[in-house]
Amino acid sequence: DAGVTQSPTHLIKTRGQQVTLRCSPKSGHDTVSWYQQALGQGPQFIFQYYEEEERQRGNFPDRFSGHQFPNYSSELNVNALLLGDSALYLCASSLGTVGRSPLHFGNGTRLTVT
Amino acid sequence: AQSVTQLGSHVSVSEGALVLLRCNYSSSVPPYLFWYVQYPNQGLQLLLKYTTGATLVKGINGFEAEFKKSETSFHLTKPSAHMSDAAEYFCAVSGFSGGYNKLIFGAGTRLAVHP
Repeated sequence: DAGVTQSPTHLIKTRGQQVTLRCSPKSGHDTVSWYQQALGQGPQFIFQYYEEEERQRGNFPDRFSGHQFPNYSSELNVNALLLGDSALYLCASSLGTVGRSPLHFGNGTRLTVT
Repeated sequence: AQSVTQLGSHVSVSEGALVLLRCNYSSSVPPYLFWYVQYPNQGLQLLLKYTTGATLVKGINGFEAEFKKSETSFHLTKPSAHMSDAAEYFCAVSGFSGGYNKLIFGAGTRLAVHP
C-alpha cells in the first residue's frame, strides 16, 4: 500500500521564480493538506483541499495556491519566490477531519530559494 | 487562539533511561492532541493521539502520553530509551477554535540517546 508520495524531493529556484510541488495521497484518502516546515521549526499549516476545493487556509499570502484533482492528488504552487520560502514542504493526506483520521505525511520536498 | 509549547528544544538521555518530553497547550475547548516523530530527511510519523475517552494513551514503539486537562499538558514518556529513538518529536493540537481540519505544531524537541 503506497503511502503519501511527493515530487520532486529537492528543488532549487531563484528569487522571483514560480514553483509547483506535487503530492499523491495515501490510497483511500480524500483530503490533502500542505504544511511548510522551516529549518528548526515545527510544520505550519498552509491549506487543505477536499473535493477539489480549498476547505481551510492558514496564514499564508496569496502567492501560495493549490489545486486538487479528481483522483485526489494535489499541487502546491508558489509564485514570486522569496528567500524566506526556503523550507521543507510537507504534504499530508487523511480521510475526513484530522480527529477521525490521523494525517499521513510524505517525506517532503526540500525547496531552496537563492 | 490555540498554541503549543514544547519545553526543551533538546533533550539528551542515556540508553535505557526514562524519556520525558513535555508539551503544554492553550485552547478554549478540549482539543485533539497528537505526538509525531520525524527522522532525518523524512516526513512525520504519528506516535499517538488523544481525542476522547481514556486520558492515558499508548502509542507505537513503547511511547505513551497522558492528557491532563487541569494542567493543559500532554507529556510524552517512554520507560526505557533505545538508540533508535533519537529523532525530532513534535506535539500538535487541533480543535474548535482552529478547526479540526488542521494541526498546530510545537517547535519540536530533538531527542539524543547516548550509550
